[in-house]
Amino acid sequence: IVLTQSPNFKSVTPKEKVTITCRASQGIGSSLHWYQQKPGQSPKLLIKYASQSFSGVPSRFSGSGSGTDFTLTINSLEAEDAATYYCLQSSTSPFTFGPGTKVDIK
Amino acid sequence: QVHLQESGPGLVRPSQTLSLTCTVSGGSISDGGYYWSWIRQSPGKGLEWIGHIYYTGRTFYNPSLSSRLTMSLDTSKNQFSLKVTSVTATDTAVYYCARGGTDYDFSIDPWGQGTLVTVAS
Repeated sequence: IVLTQSPNFKSVTPKEKVTITCRASQGIGSSLHWYQQKPGQSPKLLIKYASQSFSGVPSRFSGSGSGTDFTLTINSLEAEDAATYYCLQSSTSPFTFGPGTKVDIK
Repeated sequence: QVHLQESGPGLVRPSQTLSLTCTVSGGSISDGGYYWSWIRQSPGKGLEWIGHIYYTGRTFYNPSLSSRLTMSLDTSKNQFSLKVTSVTATDTAVYYCARGGTDYDFSIDPWGQGTLVTVAS
């Protein structure tokens, strides 16, 4: 299953709302997870199964979608949210990742 | 909380075998029905799921790599391992170990910090 993400890059100002999309090449139900990766760090789980917030993740991060189209939303972006965001599908082996969306702070 | 740490050589010669170990602390790899995963990240291919091993020892490999992979558990040391044979420059990447979820929740978390493996002569 191929995952595509859009946009590839987004430059935003603090407090702006950011929306990142992930599209699967075939239906995956809700088996889609979102990760945040900062430079030099390993990916951190934000959202699991499309819309379930992971423990300890700020409430400004939310996810939605099912089937083939998914969205990660960051409400009121903070400077610390500068990172690359990846989606991961676990519906079908081999699990696959999207190519990532880099979010930069203006 | 569970913590994972990768270890192994940072440089491997072409055609040789890449061997990495992941040491788990804060929980037992033989309890809880978890999968234990390997993922790699290279500039050219992004994040790639290599495979995972169930706490029973059953393995699930990415078909793109499966002919060269071996994963195993060492419950006495609370470690799991990855071997990749016949490596080439395309195997150069940061390799991560991670807890791969359960039969009911395949979200992968937490991850180790990652270790860079370079394939070069």
